[in-house]
Amino acid sequence: NAGVTQTPKFRVLKTGQSMTLLCAQDMNHEYMYWYRQDPGMGLRLIHYSVGEGTTAKGEVPDGYNVSRLKKQNFLLGLESAAPSQTSVYFCATTGVAGYTFGSGTRLTVV
Amino acid sequence: LAKTTQPISMDSYEGQEVNITCSHNNIATNDYITWYQQFPSQGPRFIIQGYKTKVTNEVASLFIPADRKSSTLSLPRVSLSDTAVYYCLVGDGAAGNKLTFGGGTRVLVKP
Repeated sequence: NAGVTQTPKFRVLKTGQSMTLLCAQDMNHEYMYWYRQDPGMGLRLIHYSVGEGTTAKGEVPDGYNVSRLKKQNFLLGLESAAPSQTSVYFCATTGVAGYTFGSGTRLTVV
Repeated sequence: LAKTTQPISMDSYEGQEVNITCSHNNIATNDYITWYQQFPSQGPRFIIQGYKTKVTNEVASLFIPADRKSSTLSLPRVSLSDTAVYYCLVGDGAAGNKLTFGGGTRVLVKP
């Protein structure tokens, strides 16, 4: 029972590089979210999706893009990484039992 | 979205009961109160959810007074493994609700 799987778990990028974080869920949930968490802070919502083919901005969307081409996958893209995007990124889905989070992706931009 | 206020940190000892109070003065009629637990290097994990009065499960109890402007998470007989950050969230409970995570309460359980 994987639940929510994030890949990769760790990544180091140079400023200006691009990358895509993948979130996959096997819970058949409509709603998916991307959060970032900076050291000692709570989670902040970047983007979210209420279903396949839909996306919407959250609290801190600048510098990120997302896509939800398939119901089970939610991709987070960084087109031109900046040091301010160094953070831990969490993907989540919601169902009747509340949020289920992935184990996170630790991203460092140097 | 209703804003929540909770203590930044709390220390306790093994075997004691830990109570964390969260204030949510502008909670809406349809809002539920949900608590999550987060261990280092992991995503938050659902603990308990309630609407009013008292809710209890195998992990914790949640006490909500009649005015619902606050709630208290109670962790009975904590162990070292309960050291974590605990988040109080308020929302309408529907799947898809964009819950806002505040800074949480960092609980340290000492031997």
